[in-house]
Amino acid sequence: EVQLVESGGGLVQPGGSLRLSCAASGYTFRNYWMSWVRQAPGKGLEWVANIKEDGSEKYYVDSVKGRFTISRDNAKNSLYLQMNSLRAEDTAVYYCARDHDHASDHWGQGTLVTVSS
Amino acid sequence: QSVLTQPPSVSAAPGQKVTISCSGSSSNIGNNYVSWFQQLPGTAPKLLIYDNYKRPSGIPDRFSGSKSGTSATLGITGLQTGDEADYYCGVWDSSLSAGVFGGGTKLTVL
Repeated sequence: EVQLVESGGGLVQPGGSLRLSCAASGYTFRNYWMSWVRQAPGKGLEWVANIKEDGSEKYYVDSVKGRFTISRDNAKNSLYLQMNSLRAEDTAVYYCARDHDHASDHWGQGTLVTVSS
Repeated sequence: QSVLTQPPSVSAAPGQKVTISCSGSSSNIGNNYVSWFQQLPGTAPKLLIYDNYKRPSGIPDRFSGSKSGTSATLGITGLQTGDEADYYCGVWDSSLSAGVFGGGTKLTVL
């Protein structure tokens, strides 16, 4: 069974940093692209970033370019999102998702990031 | 303002059929594969449709997807109260080099 478990969320002040992790199990992690998707309270889904199987390609939504970095460790079956210079508008539940056949076919339960002073 | 346009809400009676539209452009829906997601209250999104019309294993055939030009449609037949949820379309945008989602459609089963 595919399982994705996010961690690392919490309360952080504006301008601060946070590193999210996603632990994958139940499949061969190194064979799949992975994505981060976020959802602000009461709002819709927003795609954040994705990364190729070997980490050689990464893409970001414009609003996080230069501030967020997606990475992965295939030996540890883990996906990461380093978030710097956080803003109030980054407050959201962050989901990691496995990408397959042009879609995110499995999602974690999400981790809440709150940016507030 | 989302790149993909969905109606904010739709409603229908139990047992009836409903369709949800998703309108985009040539840089996203027109040249890439559309997926659809269901998000029940308080839960993570769940993949319903991928590659425009394909259903993952376990998704009943009451759910269907189609695409024409720069628009896509999700159809749900035999509506059940358990289908009340938010539905999102998603696709890769080749011009943005980024994934994009519609704003979401809230389905109410009256």
